[in-house]
Amino acid sequence: DVKVTQSSRYLVKRTGEKVFLECVQDMDHENMFWYRQDPGLGLRLIYFSYDVKMKEKGDIPEGYSVSREKKERFSLILESASTNQTSMYLCASTPALAGDNEQFFGPGTRLTVL
Amino acid sequence: SQKIEQNSEALNIQEGKTATLTCNYTNYSPAYLQWYRQDPGRGPVFLLLIRENEKEKRKERLKVTFDTTLKQSLFHITASQPADSATYLCALERNYGQNFVFGPGTRLSVLP
Repeated sequence: DVKVTQSSRYLVKRTGEKVFLECVQDMDHENMFWYRQDPGLGLRLIYFSYDVKMKEKGDIPEGYSVSREKKERFSLILESASTNQTSMYLCASTPALAGDNEQFFGPGTRLTVL
Repeated sequence: SQKIEQNSEALNIQEGKTATLTCNYTNYSPAYLQWYRQDPGRGPVFLLLIRENEKEKRKERLKVTFDTTLKQSLFHITASQPADSATYLCALERNYGQNFVFGPGTRLSVLP
């Protein structure tokens, strides 16, 4: 059974903390994505990666960075968490040529920044 | 400006009826369009993909149409059941298949 896993289901952090969200996929997929989901705004793409050590900005990269040191792992980093980064964070992966393939999503991490 | 809209935030229908959800987009030219189902507190799950040269795609009780002239996709669930209650998201491929943009979703409630 193919799987995308995320390190935490729920996370509570304080303003200014550095936050790491981890995502691991076991399908040998080339592409990995980080989204955030907020009520009324849908899923918005933060960053994506199409290969190890490669990263591309999505629609809302400000305040975030990413790391992809291994093919199966894609990390999202909040350098200095702020309250407006309270959200549901979803990781996804696809094989090469993402557009023609389904995205496999993780269960999500609900992050609260106090 | 670019925009992707889904017909309504919430849709209530009676069990056994056909649910029709709409996805409209502006200033995109997707080669592929996808539909996902999302249950509360969980990640989206892929349902169907339709290509720009396909008018219609079916899978069991699901049917998707894709009209590139109208810039619209319709998603139908026939003989709907309470278990079909969920949020449904459309997603457009962009940037030559590199990534996706999602609509805001429609929350479907099928009433027994």
